[in-house]
Amino acid sequence: DSGVTQTPKHLITATGQRVTLRCSPRSGDLSVYWYQQSLDQGLQFLIQYYNGEERAKGNILERFSAQQFPDLHSELNLSSLELGDSALYFCASSLGQNSYNEQFFGPGTRLTVL
Amino acid sequence: GQSLEQPSEVTAVEGAIVQINCTYQTSGFYGLSWYQQHDGGAPTFLSYNALDGLEETGRFSSFLSRSDSYGYLLLQELQMKDSASYFCAVPFVGNTPLVFGKGTRLSVIA
Repeated sequence: DSGVTQTPKHLITATGQRVTLRCSPRSGDLSVYWYQQSLDQGLQFLIQYYNGEERAKGNILERFSAQQFPDLHSELNLSSLELGDSALYFCASSLGQNSYNEQFFGPGTRLTVL
Repeated sequence: GQSLEQPSEVTAVEGAIVQINCTYQTSGFYGLSWYQQHDGGAPTFLSYNALDGLEETGRFSSFLSRSDSYGYLLLQELQMKDSASYFCAVPFVGNTPLVFGKGTRLSVIA
């Protein structure tokens, strides 16, 4: 158990819909990272927050957005969902703001868009 | 350019030693990380090398050669539970988010 929690574990929805994925980092960790993992694209970095502020952005679609709240939990919002958005979404946390710090991954949310 | 290369699959026998290579090309370099991921599970951190040389943690060791832009993960005394995917990762430009390789799927056979 990494100490990072993600909800829900599974999500099945239809194209065009909007969903919110939730992540609680390990106690004391200030950075939260979001990743998308699909079979053909591997593990892709989406966005990082550090202590409530956006720290770095990857190839995150405009339909996707995220935020980190004062209690440091984070939410990833995916809207106008497409079939290609079906993937495993991981949240990770680390103490510091540098990406090469050890990152602790949550169990992931499996999103299926039908 | 920027690239990160590792073999897609490796098969090894239980009890043996296996080496998973990773070569990278980046504009800056902060270090090479390794993560393990079992099927259906989350990635877990194995090691981070910022300096040249070998770092050992139990049965696993990780090596880095900055001059050759090359590193490897060495797994000794292989066990069936080591069957998993192994990812190398680097920040591509200076202190930027990690970019993960496509992963090496290790199969340990009896």
